Amino acid sequence: AQKVTQAQTEISVVEKEDVTLDCVYETRDTTYYLFWYKQPPSGELVFLIRRNSFDEQNEISGRYSWNFQKSTSSFNFTITASQVVDSAVYFCALIFFNTGFQKLVFGTGTRLLVSP
Amino acid sequence: EAQVTQNPRYLITVTGKKLTVTCSQNMNHEYMSWYRQDPGLGLRQIYYSMNVEVTDKGDVPEGYKVSRKEKRNFPLILESPSPNQTSLYFCASSPRDTSTDTQYFGPGTRLTVL
Repeated sequence: AQKVTQAQTEISVVEKEDVTLDCVYETRDTTYYLFWYKQPPSGELVFLIRRNSFDEQNEISGRYSWNFQKSTSSFNFTITASQVVDSAVYFCALIFFNTGFQKLVFGTGTRLLVSP
Repeated sequence: EAQVTQNPRYLITVTGKKLTVTCSQNMNHEYMSWYRQDPGLGLRQIYYSMNVEVTDKGDVPEGYKVSRKEKRNFPLILESPSPNQTSLYFCASSPRDTSTDTQYFGPGTRLTVL
């Protein structure tokens, strides 16, 4: 079965702490894509990153970094020096190819609370 | 501005009263999709459309209908809403299929069915 697991329901940190959000996925496909989306309190979904299954290079974008490890089927997201504005629900998602075209499957989300 | 719009943003209705949530994108995207978001369940796909007149069921299609008569619009229709359809709904679009293209989401529609 194609599945995304975000075991951390909620994480609370104090500003400037580093925090890692875990994402573990299951898929039988060899070609797939992984995504992270942010949902701030205002409710919209903001795209953060896309990674394909053939590219295991880690990526850094400012205070954000992503660690993709196929060996453990994980695509973890780290925020360095967290800020109050990082408070949001973060979703990990997987696209796999089902009968010739894509299907996007989301994890249940991790709520991050960053306090001053 | 490139965007996906949804209307209404908030809706309270009663069981059985037909309603339509509109979705429109101005990016000439081929692919559009509807999701519902429920606490503890994340987002689940309701229906999707690969192009005009091409639609298919997602994971939770029961109780919903869609149509894609124009490329830019993808309305979600609840013929006879029930309380278990109370949820936050998102429309999304992407240029082609989402294998290489990112899905862009609308602002969401919060629906309450009494």
